[in-house]
Amino acid sequence: EDQVTQSPEALRLQEGESSSLNCSYTVSGLRGLFWYRQDPGKGPEFLFTLYSAGEEKEKERLKATLTKKESFLHITAPKPEDSATYLCAVQVRRGAQKLVFGQGTRLTINP
Amino acid sequence: SQTIHQWPATLVQPVGSPLSLECTVEGTSNPNLYWYRQAAGRGLQLLFYSVGIGQISSEVPQNLSASRPQDRQFILSSKKLLLSDSGFYLCAWSVTSGARGYTGELFFGEGSRLTVL
Repeated sequence: EDQVTQSPEALRLQEGESSSLNCSYTVSGLRGLFWYRQDPGKGPEFLFTLYSAGEEKEKERLKATLTKKESFLHITAPKPEDSATYLCAVQVRRGAQKLVFGQGTRLTINP
Repeated sequence: SQTIHQWPATLVQPVGSPLSLECTVEGTSNPNLYWYRQAAGRGLQLLFYSVGIGQISSEVPQNLSASRPQDRQFILSSKKLLLSDSGFYLCAWSVTSGARGYTGELFFGEGSRLTVL
């Protein structure tokens, strides 16, 4: 069974304190890995797509990386507005019409 | 540009009552359409997806159903709601690519908060 596990469940940082969120996956043939940001009471907002091990994508203070077993979302010098739940999802080769989501990491940045 | 509209935003319904949530997409044609549910403290659970008009795939056996009467319209329904149907319902769309209709990034609506009492 395809599985996606995110850690930690929740993370509280001080403004400017860099850290990383983890997304590990066990799937039968990865076609793509996606990162989303979700604010409370809102729909998820697309951030990045990664397709192959070694690939990296950056957007402002966020950088996503991918290995054969996991992905990291690195956040550098975060600001309070980066507080949100970050979701990871995988697309598998068979049944690639859908994404399988992890539980998310709730990130809080204190000023 | 593409936009997705989902309504109603908030709904409080008694157990046993019917449900209809509607979603429409603008600015694209022949999208893949999806209904996800997000229960409190849990991840996104795929309920239904559709690769074309009248084509519905169900992922989870339940008392919910979905329909796609038009290319850019997706409806989630129930004849009799259960307490366990409470949650945050999200509609999403994606472009398709290739002969197998592989999906790309999902773009979500603002969500519908359903409380069943």
